[in-house]
Amino acid sequence: DVKVTQSSRYLVKRTGEKVFLECVQDMDHENMFWYRQDPGLGLRLIYFSYDVKMKEKGDIPEGYSVSREKKERFSLILESASTNQTSMYLCASSFQGTTGANVLTFGAGSRLTVL
Amino acid sequence: AQSVTQLDSQVPVFEEAPVELRCNYSSSVSVYLFWYVQYPNQGLQLLLKYLSGSTLVESINGFEAEFNKSQTSFHLRKPSVHISDTAEYFCAVTLGFQKLVFGTGTRLLVSP
Repeated sequence: DVKVTQSSRYLVKRTGEKVFLECVQDMDHENMFWYRQDPGLGLRLIYFSYDVKMKEKGDIPEGYSVSREKKERFSLILESASTNQTSMYLCASSFQGTTGANVLTFGAGSRLTVL
Repeated sequence: AQSVTQLDSQVPVFEEAPVELRCNYSSSVSVYLFWYVQYPNQGLQLLLKYLSGSTLVESINGFEAEFNKSQTSFHLRKPSVHISDTAEYFCAVTLGFQKLVFGTGTRLLVSP
């Protein structure tokens, strides 16, 4: 089974701090995604990547950046954390496949609190 | 652009009762449809998917969903729920080779 590992389950940071959320997958998936999950809003896509060093903005990229230097690792960066970035962050990966449908495998999530 | 609507934010039900979680999508072209489940303190897991072929798809734990193109729906059903089905359920749609668009989720609360 594909495993997607998010290095931190719970983080508490202060306003203005730089925050790194790390995600590693072990099945050679081409695609990696960062979502944000908030009650009543579901999952919203922040950034995604189809290949190493490639990134594309999702629906809510403001205040975030990403890095994909290696195929297995996709990092989410909050340059200057703000309280409205308190949320659950979910990383996912998928194999490109031939059907054209993305079946995502998710990590367990990183719950970030910004004080 | 495609979108997904889950009208019910929460569905309370008694154990062994049937349940239906509603999902409607908007898209003018063919889509792929998914249901994901999130158990407490965990990430999302794929429950079932519709890619093509039979419009009725089933999961290994008794859930089923039917793709209805005319009504643009993909409702999730189970004839008899268990306490362990308590979770949040997300419907999602993609046009293929693109990002998934998720609904806002439905929290299923099963009580004894």
